[in-house]
Amino acid sequence: QKEVEQDPGPLSVPEGAIVSLNCTYSNSAFQYFMWYRQYSRKGPELLMYTYSSGNKEDGRFTAQVDKSSKYISLFIRDSQPSDSATYLCAMTSNTGKLIFGQGTTLQVKP
Amino acid sequence: ETGVTQSPTHLIKTRGQQVTLRCSSQSGHNTVSWYQQALGQGPQFIFQYYREEENGRGNFPPRFSGLQFPNYSSELNVNALELDDSALYLCASSLAGRGGKDTQYFGPGTRLTVL
Repeated sequence: QKEVEQDPGPLSVPEGAIVSLNCTYSNSAFQYFMWYRQYSRKGPELLMYTYSSGNKEDGRFTAQVDKSSKYISLFIRDSQPSDSATYLCAMTSNTGKLIFGQGTTLQVKP
Repeated sequence: ETGVTQSPTHLIKTRGQQVTLRCSSQSGHNTVSWYQQALGQGPQFIFQYYREEENGRGNFPPRFSGLQFPNYSSELNVNALELDDSALYLCASSLAGRGGKDTQYFGPGTRLTVL
């Protein structure tokens, strides 16, 4: 069983839709949670960074962490075609070693 | 842009050969981590260097080795290449690697193909 599970999709939504991306994990030592966006043939770009449980909002993006359920989410409001990419969740305890999910491919259609 | 650069962009090697990949960290960052990303998968941690010393290693064989230089640039060396080594190799730089709270910024990656 993988430490971090993420549905690879693909997920296809119309422009303007609210997108929900999720990851589950098994290691209760994880404290730091991240979402990265990766365009084709590019390196991952940090979108959101959250410590422990709670919500964090940045523009159209909201990250949620529920440590009791070992479940994290990323919501994208008013999705745009430029949001089409692969979204990677990542997490770590206190080691600096990031554990990634498989990534979810998102396509936003105009 | 993160300020993290990698070279070369693409590389083709044959099985059994050796390869060296290079990474230049973001200015001021003293920690570099290397990841392997196979097609359709998330990145997997290879190892991390903090102030020129290895600071953690993932589940990769010893033929994967690294160096970090005083200017905090870094190399990943892979010996005796195998077909399964074909992947995107990513480096990420951060400040003060001891502790997960330090954000890692990724470079664009080097795509290695082993024939």
